[in-house]
Amino acid sequence: AQSVTQLGSHVSVSEGALVLLRCNYSSSVPPYLFWYVQYPNQGLQLLLKYTSAATLVKGINGFEAEFKKSETSFHLTKPSAHMSDAAEYFCAVSGTGANSKLTFGKGITLSVRP
Amino acid sequence: GAGVSQSPSNKVTEKGKDVELRCDPISGHTALYWYRQSLGQGLEFLIYFQGNSAPDKSGLPSDRFSAERTGGSVSTLTIQRTQQEDSAVYLCASSFGYGRGGFEQFFGPGTRLTVL
Repeated sequence: AQSVTQLGSHVSVSEGALVLLRCNYSSSVPPYLFWYVQYPNQGLQLLLKYTSAATLVKGINGFEAEFKKSETSFHLTKPSAHMSDAAEYFCAVSGTGANSKLTFGKGITLSVRP
Repeated sequence: GAGVSQSPSNKVTEKGKDVELRCDPISGHTALYWYRQSLGQGLEFLIYFQGNSAPDKSGLPSDRFSAERTGGSVSTLTIQRTQQEDSAVYLCASSFGYGRGGFEQFFGPGTRLTVL
C-alpha cells in the first residue's frame, strides 16, 4: 500500500520568501512521486514529478523538489514566493501497471502575503 | 490539442435519483482515471481503466457506483440512488501507457455534483 503525508493544512509566507511544502511518502516499491497545484476554481496541474532519474527535480514556475529515499521525503521548494503562487498543493504517489493510480496527500493551502 | 473534457460541469440532483457523468480523455491516452474531491475526504481514487478494461476498481465506495469505457475513449461514471454524501467534485484524468509508470495524469475541470 502507498500513502502520502502532508503535515499541516495551511502555510503562509511573505512575497519573496522561501516556500517549503513538506511531503513524506510510504511505499513498498520504488515510488513515482508528483506535486500537483490547484488554483482557485481550476483543475489540477502537474508541477513536477520524480520517476527515478535525477533526485533533484525541477518543475514549472520555479518550483523544485528533492527525492530523499533515506527520509522518505519529497519536499517542494521555491526560493522566492510570488503572489500568483497562492493555491492548494497536493503531493501524490503512484506505482506501476495496475497500481498506477495516484494516492494524494490531504493538500496544503499556500497563502502569500504582500 | 484539446485537454480532458468533462460534462456536465455542474449537476444538481435530488436524493435517490441516478446521475451519469461523462469524461472525454485526451486522444491517444490509453489510461483513464476517475477521482473525487470533497472537503471531508480530500482527493480519492475511484477507478482506473486501461483501454476498455478496469484493472483497478478498488476505490468505488459502494455498488451504487459503476463506470464503463467504450472504444478505449469516452468513459461514463454512473451513480445510482444518489445520497447526500455523494456530493463532491468528480475528476477525470488520462495518461499514456502502462507498465513502467510515472506518466503524467492530465486532469479535466471536473463535474460538481450536488445532491439535495
